[in-house]
Amino acid sequence: SQTIHQWPATLVQPVGSPLSLECTVEGTSNPNLYWYRQAAGRGLQLLFYSVGIGQISSEVPQNLSASRPQDRQFILSSKKLLLSDSGFYLCAWVTVRYTFGSGTRLTVV
Amino acid sequence: QKEVEQDPGPLSVPEGAIVSLNCTYSNSAFQYFMWYRQYSRKGPELLMYTYSSGNKEDGRFTAQVDKSSKYISLFIRDSQPSDSATYLCAMKAGGGNKLTFGTGTQLKVEL
Repeated sequence: SQTIHQWPATLVQPVGSPLSLECTVEGTSNPNLYWYRQAAGRGLQLLFYSVGIGQISSEVPQNLSASRPQDRQFILSSKKLLLSDSGFYLCAWVTVRYTFGSGTRLTVV
Repeated sequence: QKEVEQDPGPLSVPEGAIVSLNCTYSNSAFQYFMWYRQYSRKGPELLMYTYSSGNKEDGRFTAQVDKSSKYISLFIRDSQPSDSATYLCAMKAGGGNKLTFGTGTQLKVEL
């Protein structure tokens, strides 16, 4: 079966610390993968998407970066977190339709 | 003006009521329309997926798309407390996979 995994579920990090969120999919090959951030009252904002290994497209300038080191692995990173990076981060795998991971709630303190 | 507008609610209804959730949009290129349900602290899950104008029914859920008015709706019949969640509309143009989401409507169905 096709599944998407995302971890950790919750993260509290101090300002200025690094970040690494991981997303992996199972049961498929060469998936299109997306990172979204969801802030209260603002809906889902597309951050990055990837159509293959090493291929990253950025939708908005920001303090974050993404990498696709393996076919079924998508990583969201930051070298130094800002307070404004707090939010609910969602990884999504797209075929005809979107399938979302369970999300990571990040609080930067 | 946002591409997709959705009333954030919260919307509170009694159990058994018919719920109507709506979104308006401005981009006439949108052809695919979706509704997602998101429980607290969880990722969104796809409820309904429709192409172009018309109605689609799945159990207690009915999705309507009116492209001439740039207006989409989700109706929930015989609402249950388990329907309490945030409902997000989403849409995309014909080419590519980029979805544009509404901000979500928070629904609470009370006993």
